[in-house]
Amino acid sequence: DIQMTQSPSTLSASVGDRVTITCRASQSISSWLAWYQQKPGKAPKLLIYKASSLESGVPSRFSGSGSGTEFTLTISSLQPDDFATYYCQQYNSYQWTFGQGTKVEIK
Amino acid sequence: EVQLVESGGGLVKPGGSLRLSCAASGFTFSSYSMNWVRQAPGKGLEWVSSISSSSSYIYYADSVKGRFTISRDNAKNSLYLQMNSLRAEDTAVYYCARDSYTAMVGGLFDYWGQGTLVTVSS
Repeated sequence: DIQMTQSPSTLSASVGDRVTITCRASQSISSWLAWYQQKPGKAPKLLIYKASSLESGVPSRFSGSGSGTEFTLTISSLQPDDFATYYCQQYNSYQWTFGQGTKVEIK
Repeated sequence: EVQLVESGGGLVKPGGSLRLSCAASGFTFSSYSMNWVRQAPGKGLEWVSSISSSSSYIYYADSVKGRFTISRDNAKNSLYLQMNSLRAEDTAVYYCARDSYTAMVGGLFDYWGQGTLVTVSS
């Protein structure tokens, strides 16, 4: 199975900050990577697919980059609504796997 | 509007069985692959199972293979997960998720239900 490792596990930031989360795959997944946002008690929401494509309706302050084994999710200017947990997920080959999550907290 | 509504969760003893359902609306259910993803309390997301639009292709996580069975009824716009031989480690919120792809099981989850909690405890 492909292992996905996110860093950091927790991130403290302020409104307006630029935030970057890293996701590494244990083997190449080309660009078959998605990012999800999850708020407490809610279902995950798809933000980014194919490493860098923005899902419809997602604010443009979210962006994704990378290919192969290293990927990043960037929030250009953190907004109050963005405090949540973020997960990366590979869909290059089943068994589809998620990273362990990165919690973005208020500093 | 795409809607996915799970039901069937609850408290069950170790070794017991439970059947989850997911009612879909707002899209052509029979055209999309569907998935189950779970989340143990305070933990991350874990993919459980996928089924193609016509049920021709079915996949399971190693952790549930041989114990869980995914199925669908396109006439009823419904997805199911039959869970047998349940263990404490199966305790989780179970989400029904639509696959973004129509022609295959793609593993990209574009719409999610609100989840149903399964607790396995004596």
